Amino acid sequence: GEDVEQSLFLSVREGDSSVINCTYTDSSSTYLYWYKQEPGAGLQLLTYIFSNMDMKQDQRLTVLLNKKDKHLSLRIADTQTGDSAIYFCAESMRGSARQLTFGSGTQLTVLP
Amino acid sequence: DAGVIQSPRHEVTEMGQEVTLRCKPISGHDYLFWYRQTMMRGLELLIYFNNNVPIDDSGMPEDRFSAKMPNASFSTLKIQPSEPRDSAVYFCASSLSQGAHEQYFGPGTRLTVT
Repeated sequence: GEDVEQSLFLSVREGDSSVINCTYTDSSSTYLYWYKQEPGAGLQLLTYIFSNMDMKQDQRLTVLLNKKDKHLSLRIADTQTGDSAIYFCAESMRGSARQLTFGSGTQLTVLP
Repeated sequence: DAGVIQSPRHEVTEMGQEVTLRCKPISGHDYLFWYRQTMMRGLELLIYFNNNVPIDDSGMPEDRFSAKMPNASFSTLKIQPSEPRDSAVYFCASSLSQGAHEQYFGPGTRLTVT
C-alpha cells in the first residue's frame, strides 16, 4: 500500500479554515513537506517541517506534526478561492533524504 | 533564479515516434529528479541524478525510457518508441544536498501520444 495517505477531496467555504490531513509510515523521515499544485502547473513547495518539531507557522499556514501517530496536517486560515488546488503531503524516504514519497493529493475546493 | 525550466510545455506525437523532454535545473542544485504524473498512478519518481550521475532508475518503466544528464545544467528524458500509455505530465525537479532537501519543480511537459 501507499506509504503516504491523504483523503482525496475537501470543500470549505471562503473565509473558513481548511485542515488537510496526511498519515505516513516511515518513522525515520527527517523532513515532511506540503506542496500545492494549481491546474496546469507544477508542484509548488508551500512549507516543510523537521521531524523534531511539532508545529510550524507561516502566515496563514500552520503545520502540525504528531510523530507518535505519524500524522501531519496543514491548516489554512481564512481560506480564499485562490487556495483551491491539489495539496500533496510528502516525506523523505527511508535511507535517503533526497527521495520524497508523495501522497495522492487532496483536492481542496473553496466555495464562495 | 528562473526556477526549473522544462521544454517543451506540450508535446503531441504519434505512437512509435521518439520523444525527448528537456530540463534545466536551478543553478547550483546538485540533485535532479524526473517524475511522471497520471490520474491513475499519481506522481511517480522515474529516476534521479546526483552530480550528473544516475543514482536510482528503478522507477523507469521499461527500456523504452532513458535519461541522461551530460552536465550540471541540462538533462533529457527520452522515450523511444513512444506508446499511448506514455501520455502523462512529466515533471523535472531539483534540490540541494544541504538543508531540508526540498525539491523545486518545473512546470511540466504534457505529453500526448496518439
